[in-house]
Amino acid sequence: KQEVTQIPAALSVPEGENLVLNCSFTDSAIYNLQWFRQDPGKGLTSLLLIQSSQREQTSGRLNASLDKSSGRSTLYIAASQPGDSATYLCAVTDYKLSFGAGTTVTVRA
Amino acid sequence: DTAVSQTPKYLVTQMGNDKSIKCEQNLGHDTMYWYKQDSKKFLKIMFSYNNKELIINETVPNRFSPKSPDKAHLNLHINSLELGDSAVYFCASSQARQGGSYNEQFFGPGTRLTVL
Repeated sequence: KQEVTQIPAALSVPEGENLVLNCSFTDSAIYNLQWFRQDPGKGLTSLLLIQSSQREQTSGRLNASLDKSSGRSTLYIAASQPGDSATYLCAVTDYKLSFGAGTTVTVRA
Repeated sequence: DTAVSQTPKYLVTQMGNDKSIKCEQNLGHDTMYWYKQDSKKFLKIMFSYNNKELIINETVPNRFSPKSPDKAHLNLHINSLELGDSAVYFCASSQARQGGSYNEQFFGPGTRLTVL
């Protein structure tokens, strides 16, 4: 059974600092890994999708890496802004999408 | 413009009632999903349909019955609602790839169900 863990559960940083969010999963037989953002009371917004054959994906200030063999992914957000405050969810696909519990980020102005 | 839409956004009802949540996607995807997010914010898949056929059913009580009239719609009907059904329900869609793997999933805004 796939288990996805995200550490830390919460993170508070001053504006401008880089963010590092960690995700680990127990079964490396995955097709892809997806990072999402969820704002309070809202749905999920897909940020990045990394296929199992890829090592990383980049979009603007976001960069996600994937080490499938060790069951880890890291999401980097450069030069954080207050608008980056949200919960970030990691999810892996084997035959279904399994989610971590999320990291709640607060960026202080 | 909305890619994945759900109605209603909020649903408040009494225990024992039957209710439905509707989902529609205009992305041309062939796979749709229902997820439940509980009070601890943990998201778990409930069902998945591919081309109107059920492909995932994750230990969900049979009071929950998904129905897919066509590829663009996946509705969720819940019978005899219980207090523990209170949660946010998300619909999502993706385009299946060959070999059973799946592409990026796109989520709807969620339906907050409160059972009194």
